[in-house]
Amino acid sequence: KNQVEQSPQSLIILEGKNCTLQCNYTVSPFSNLRWYKQDTGRGPVSLTIMTFSENTKSNGRYTATLDADTKQSSLHITASQLSDSASYICVVSTGTASKLTFGTGTRLQVTL
Amino acid sequence: DAGVTQSPTHLIKTRGQQVTLRCSPKSGHDTVSWYQQALGQGPQFIFQYYEEEERQRGNFPDRFSGHQFPNYSSELNVNALLLGDSALYLCASSSPWPTDTQYFGPGTRLTVL
Repeated sequence: KNQVEQSPQSLIILEGKNCTLQCNYTVSPFSNLRWYKQDTGRGPVSLTIMTFSENTKSNGRYTATLDADTKQSSLHITASQLSDSASYICVVSTGTASKLTFGTGTRLQVTL
Repeated sequence: DAGVTQSPTHLIKTRGQQVTLRCSPKSGHDTVSWYQQALGQGPQFIFQYYEEEERQRGNFPDRFSGHQFPNYSSELNVNALLLGDSALYLCASSSPWPTDTQYFGPGTRLTVL
Protein backbone atom coordinates (compact mmCIF):
# COMPACT_ATOMS: atom_id res chain seq x y z
CA LYS A 1 0.00 0.00 0.00
CA ASN A 2 1.31 3.42 -0.96
CA GLN A 3 1.95 5.53 2.11
CA VAL A 4 3.56 8.83 3.00
CA GLU A 5 4.50 9.50 6.60
CA GLN A 6 5.58 12.86 7.91
CA SER A 7 7.26 13.89 11.11
CA PRO A 8 6.94 15.62 13.39
CA GLN A 9 3.17 16.05 13.46
CA SER A 10 3.59 19.54 14.82
CA LEU A 11 6.43 21.90 15.57
CA ILE A 12 6.81 25.24 17.32
CA ILE A 13 9.90 27.35 16.66
CA LEU A 14 11.01 30.90 17.32
CA GLU A 15 11.11 33.41 14.51
CA GLY A 16 14.49 33.44 12.82
CA LYS A 17 15.31 29.84 13.66
CA ASN A 18 15.75 27.03 11.16
CA CYS A 19 13.79 23.79 11.07
CA THR A 20 13.65 20.54 9.13
CA LEU A 21 10.57 18.51 8.34
CA GLN A 22 10.75 14.85 7.39
CA CYS A 23 8.89 12.70 4.89
CA ASN A 24 9.20 8.93 4.42
CA TYR A 25 7.34 7.20 1.64
CA THR A 26 6.54 3.78 0.32
CA VAL A 27 5.09 4.68 -3.07
CA SER A 28 5.69 2.69 -6.21
CA PRO A 29 6.30 3.43 -8.95
CA PHE A 30 7.85 6.75 -8.05
CA SER A 31 7.49 9.73 -10.36
CA ASN A 32 8.08 12.80 -8.26
CA LEU A 33 7.79 14.24 -4.77
CA ARG A 34 6.35 17.61 -3.91
CA TRP A 35 6.21 19.73 -0.83
CA TYR A 36 3.16 21.91 -0.41
CA LYS A 37 2.45 24.71 2.05
CA GLN A 38 -1.13 24.93 3.21
CA ASP A 39 -2.47 27.80 5.26
CA THR A 40 -5.42 26.94 7.47
CA GLY A 41 -8.61 26.60 5.45
CA ARG A 42 -6.85 27.27 2.17
CA GLY A 43 -5.69 25.16 -0.76
CA PRO A 44 -2.14 23.78 -0.84
CA VAL A 45 0.51 25.77 -2.69
CA SER A 46 3.43 23.95 -4.28
CA LEU A 47 6.88 24.78 -2.88
CA THR A 48 9.16 22.30 -4.63
CA ILE A 49 9.02 19.30 -6.90
CA MET A 50 11.75 16.71 -7.32
CA THR A 51 12.07 13.80 -9.68
CA PHE A 52 14.01 10.62 -9.13
CA SER A 53 17.27 12.07 -10.39
CA GLU A 54 17.18 15.23 -8.27
CA ASN A 55 18.41 15.22 -4.70
CA THR A 56 17.94 18.86 -3.77
CA LYS A 57 15.73 21.75 -4.82
CA SER A 58 15.48 25.24 -3.38
CA ASN A 59 12.75 27.84 -3.42
CA GLY A 60 13.88 30.89 -1.51
CA ARG A 61 14.24 29.96 2.14
CA TYR A 62 12.85 26.48 1.47
CA THR A 63 15.23 23.67 0.52
CA ALA A 64 13.99 20.16 -0.15
CA THR A 65 16.15 17.07 -0.34
CA LEU A 66 15.36 13.65 -1.72
CA ASP A 67 17.06 10.32 -1.14
CA ALA A 68 15.38 7.94 -3.55
CA ASP A 69 17.35 4.99 -2.22
CA THR A 70 16.06 5.32 1.32
CA LYS A 71 12.75 6.87 0.16
CA GLN A 72 13.16 9.87 2.39
CA SER A 73 12.74 13.57 1.83
CA SER A 74 13.21 16.60 4.00
CA LEU A 75 12.14 20.21 3.84
CA HIS A 76 14.48 22.70 5.47
CA ILE A 77 13.23 26.17 6.30
CA THR A 78 15.88 28.78 6.92
CA ALA A 79 15.44 31.92 9.01
CA SER A 80 11.79 31.23 9.71
CA GLN A 81 9.21 33.99 9.57
CA LEU A 82 5.79 34.29 11.18
CA SER A 83 4.24 33.80 7.74
CA ASP A 84 5.79 30.35 7.57
CA SER A 85 3.19 29.19 10.09
CA ALA A 86 1.20 26.62 8.13
CA SER A 87 0.89 22.92 7.42
CA TYR A 88 3.53 21.42 5.17
CA ILE A 89 2.40 18.44 3.16
CA CYS A 90 4.59 15.92 1.38
CA VAL A 91 3.00 14.43 -1.74
CA VAL A 92 4.39 11.56 -3.78
CA SER A 93 3.24 10.88 -7.31
CA THR A 94 3.26 7.72 -9.40
CA GLY A 95 2.92 9.79 -12.55
CA THR A 96 -0.76 10.45 -12.96
CA ALA A 97 -2.88 13.04 -11.20
CA SER A 98 -5.13 10.41 -9.67
CA LYS A 99 -2.22 8.59 -8.09
CA LEU A 100 -1.00 11.18 -5.67
CA THR A 101 -0.37 9.99 -2.15
CA PHE A 102 -0.56 12.74 0.46
CA GLY A 103 1.08 12.81 3.83
CA THR A 104 -0.96 14.11 6.76
CA GLY A 105 1.32 17.09 7.06
CA THR A 106 3.45 18.79 9.68
CA ARG A 107 1.83 21.73 11.42
CA LEU A 108 4.47 24.45 11.89
CA GLN A 109 3.97 27.40 14.19
CA VAL A 110 6.50 30.21 14.22
CA THR A 111 6.35 32.45 17.28
CA LEU A 112 8.00 35.64 18.49
CA ASP B 1 -4.31 34.37 -14.93
CA ALA B 2 -6.85 33.80 -12.17
CA GLY B 3 -5.57 30.37 -11.27
CA VAL B 4 -7.98 27.78 -9.95
CA THR B 5 -11.14 29.26 -8.48
CA GLN B 6 -13.80 27.59 -6.38
CA SER B 7 -17.24 28.60 -5.17
CA PRO B 8 -18.69 29.04 -2.73
CA THR B 9 -16.02 29.69 -0.11
CA HIS B 10 -18.12 28.39 2.74
CA LEU B 11 -21.32 26.41 2.88
CA ILE B 12 -23.54 25.14 5.68
CA LYS B 13 -26.00 22.33 5.06
CA THR B 14 -28.05 19.94 7.14
CA ARG B 15 -28.00 16.16 7.06
CA GLY B 16 -29.82 14.66 4.10
CA GLN B 17 -29.49 17.72 1.92
CA GLN B 18 -27.64 17.90 -1.37
CA VAL B 19 -24.81 20.24 -2.26
CA THR B 20 -23.06 21.38 -5.44
CA LEU B 21 -19.55 22.80 -5.41
CA ARG B 22 -17.98 24.51 -8.40
CA CYS B 23 -14.49 24.79 -9.78
CA SER B 24 -12.90 26.69 -12.65
CA PRO B 25 -9.49 25.37 -13.66
CA LYS B 26 -6.36 27.35 -14.35
CA SER B 27 -6.16 28.66 -17.89
CA GLY B 28 -4.80 26.01 -20.25
CA HIS B 29 -5.68 23.12 -17.95
CA ASP B 30 -8.10 20.46 -19.12
CA THR B 31 -8.14 18.05 -16.18
CA VAL B 32 -9.87 18.63 -12.87
CA SER B 33 -9.46 16.56 -9.72
CA TRP B 34 -11.50 16.81 -6.54
CA TYR B 35 -10.24 16.09 -3.03
CA GLN B 36 -11.82 15.94 0.41
CA GLN B 37 -9.70 17.13 3.29
CA ALA B 38 -10.91 16.48 6.81
CA LEU B 39 -9.57 18.68 9.57
CA GLY B 40 -5.98 17.79 10.39
CA GLN B 41 -5.76 15.25 7.59
CA GLY B 42 -4.23 15.17 4.15
CA PRO B 43 -6.46 15.47 1.07
CA GLN B 44 -8.22 12.31 -0.07
CA PHE B 45 -8.74 11.82 -3.81
CA ILE B 46 -12.43 11.74 -4.82
CA PHE B 47 -12.30 11.64 -8.63
CA GLN B 48 -10.82 13.21 -11.71
CA TYR B 49 -12.49 14.56 -14.82
CA TYR B 50 -10.99 14.79 -18.27
CA GLU B 51 -12.81 15.47 -21.54
CA GLU B 52 -16.09 15.68 -19.63
CA GLU B 53 -15.78 12.15 -18.31
CA GLU B 54 -14.83 10.68 -14.96
CA ARG B 55 -11.42 9.17 -15.58
CA GLN B 56 -10.37 7.98 -12.16
CA ARG B 57 -12.20 7.55 -8.88
CA GLY B 58 -11.08 7.19 -5.31
CA ASN B 59 -12.76 5.28 -2.53
CA PHE B 60 -15.88 7.41 -2.20
CA PRO B 61 -19.53 6.29 -2.33
CA ASP B 62 -21.87 6.99 -5.20
CA ARG B 63 -23.34 9.88 -3.23
CA PHE B 64 -20.37 11.78 -4.60
CA SER B 65 -20.74 12.59 -8.26
CA GLY B 66 -19.37 15.15 -10.61
CA HIS B 67 -19.49 16.76 -13.96
CA GLN B 68 -17.14 18.54 -16.28
CA PHE B 69 -18.33 21.09 -18.79
CA PRO B 70 -16.96 21.82 -22.28
CA ASN B 71 -15.07 24.83 -20.88
CA TYR B 72 -13.30 22.41 -18.47
CA SER B 73 -15.00 23.78 -15.38
CA SER B 74 -16.36 21.18 -13.02
CA GLU B 75 -18.95 20.52 -10.35
CA LEU B 76 -18.89 18.20 -7.38
CA ASN B 77 -22.28 17.01 -6.14
CA VAL B 78 -22.86 15.30 -2.84
CA ASN B 79 -26.27 13.78 -2.08
CA ALA B 80 -27.78 12.73 1.23
CA LEU B 81 -25.22 14.64 3.23
CA LEU B 82 -23.81 13.07 6.38
CA LEU B 83 -22.13 14.78 9.30
CA GLY B 84 -18.90 13.09 8.21
CA ASP B 85 -19.00 14.94 4.91
CA SER B 86 -17.97 18.10 6.71
CA ALA B 87 -14.57 18.98 5.26
CA LEU B 88 -12.59 21.26 3.02
CA TYR B 89 -13.21 20.29 -0.60
CA LEU B 90 -10.31 21.06 -2.86
CA CYS B 91 -10.29 21.26 -6.60
CA ALA B 92 -7.04 20.89 -8.50
CA SER B 93 -6.43 21.39 -12.19
CA SER B 94 -3.71 19.81 -14.26
CA SER B 95 -1.96 20.76 -17.45
CA PRO B 96 -2.12 18.37 -20.38
CA TRP B 97 1.42 17.26 -19.55
CA PRO B 98 2.64 16.30 -17.07
CA THR B 99 -0.75 15.39 -15.74
CA ASP B 100 0.35 15.27 -12.15
CA THR B 101 1.37 18.94 -12.07
CA GLN B 102 -1.62 20.04 -10.05
CA TYR B 103 -2.59 23.50 -8.99
CA PHE B 104 -5.04 23.69 -6.12
CA GLY B 105 -7.89 26.09 -5.62
CA PRO B 106 -8.61 27.76 -2.28
CA GLY B 107 -11.20 25.16 -1.37
CA THR B 108 -14.82 25.17 -0.23
CA ARG B 109 -15.45 24.63 3.47
CA LEU B 110 -18.56 22.50 3.85
CA THR B 111 -20.18 22.15 7.25
CA VAL B 112 -22.97 19.62 7.70
CA LEU B 113 -25.16 20.10 10.78
